[in-house]
Amino acid sequence: SQTIHQWPATLVQPVGSPLSLECTVEGTSNPNLYWYRQAAGRGLQLLFYSVGIGQISSEVPQNLSASRPQDRQFILSSKKLLLSDSGFYLCAWYRDRALAGGYTFGSGTRLTVV
Amino acid sequence: SQQGEEDPQALSIQEGENATMNCSYKTSINNLQWYRQNSGRGLVHLILIRSNEREKHSGRLRVTLDTSKKSSSLLITASRAADTASYFCATDAQGGGADGLTFGKGTHLIIQP
Repeated sequence: SQTIHQWPATLVQPVGSPLSLECTVEGTSNPNLYWYRQAAGRGLQLLFYSVGIGQISSEVPQNLSASRPQDRQFILSSKKLLLSDSGFYLCAWYRDRALAGGYTFGSGTRLTVV
Repeated sequence: SQQGEEDPQALSIQEGENATMNCSYKTSINNLQWYRQNSGRGLVHLILIRSNEREKHSGRLRVTLDTSKKSSSLLITASRAADTASYFCATDAQGGGADGLTFGKGTHLIIQP
């Protein structure tokens, strides 16, 4: 069965520090991978998506970047965090829009920038 | 950008009652999906309805889709305390590439025991 792992679960980082969040998928190949951010009490904002190794599309210009070094690995990074980067970050994968299963989400990372 | 808009933003009902949440969207879609999010957790896919479908059932869930009005509703029958969560609609835009779903801001549902 397909599973998605996201870590860490919580993170408190000072302003100006770097960031690296990792997401890995098991049990599938060539998934479409997504990073979303959710502000408190709000919907999900798409940050990045990837359709293959080394292929990254950015939806929102910002302080963050993403990389996909392996087929089932998606990394969200920042060189210098801002206070506004605080939020709940969710990784998700979607194999085929024709399938009825929808997206599978990781359990999320709560990032607090202080 | 947000496309789906859920209504109401918050809903509190007694256990055993039915809960209805609505979603409106703006563009043509391939399908519309509903997700549940428990506090501080990731989203869980509940149900997908395609643009050529009008109604779909899954257990205690009933979803309707009216493409002429660009709206959908999610009905949870015989609610339970465990149904307390936020519910999001998400649209898969017609003609869209791999850029994924667009989510609404969600309805926060509280089931009172």
